[in-house]
Amino acid sequence: EIVMTQSPATLSVSPGERATLSCRASQSVSSNLAWYQQKPGQAPRLLIYGASTRATGIPARFSGSGSGTEFTLTISSLQSEDFAVYYCQQYNNWPPGTFGPGTKVDIK
Amino acid sequence: EVQLVESGGGLVQPGGSLRLSCAASGFTVSSNYMSWVRQAPGKGLEWVSVIYSGGSTYYADSVKGRFTISRDNSKNTLYLQMNSLRAEDTAVYYCVGGSGVLFDYWGQGTLVTVSS
Repeated sequence: EIVMTQSPATLSVSPGERATLSCRASQSVSSNLAWYQQKPGQAPRLLIYGASTRATGIPARFSGSGSGTEFTLTISSLQSEDFAVYYCQQYNNWPPGTFGPGTKVDIK
Repeated sequence: EVQLVESGGGLVQPGGSLRLSCAASGFTVSSNYMSWVRQAPGKGLEWVSVIYSGGSTYYADSVKGRFTISRDNSKNTLYLQMNSLRAEDTAVYYCVGGSGVLFDYWGQGTLVTVSS
């Protein structure tokens, strides 16, 4: 089973600043990597798939990059509604679609 | 608009059973991949099971042999039958749908608590 890791566990950022989140796979997942956002008390929401394609309705300040085993989610200018937990998920070896442990982005 | 509405969660004793339901609207359960994903309190996301549009089913090792995923096409509803429940099965269970392996649409979740 592919193991996903994310760093950092918590990222403290001021509104308007850039946030860079990392995700690593234990073996290559090609570009079959998705990012999800989860706010407190809500279900997760798909942000990015194919490592870099934004899902429908996702603002352009969210961007994804990477392939193979190293991936990055960048939020160019953090808005108040972006403070949340972000999960990466591989779907190259499916099932299972293994998730990373998450990165919490909170207000600095 | 796609809506997935879970029901059936609650408190159950260890070793007990529970059946979760997920009623879909604006989305055809039988034409899509439907999964259950769970989240233990304060923890991350764990995929539990999937049923493909063709009917094939798969399970996480942690629930294999205890949980059964199914659907009723006439009711456009997904189910998860959970038997031999353990304390570690305590979680919010999300119904998730997608045209493929992506988790495009999520329900609001239903809480299952396994405790004596």
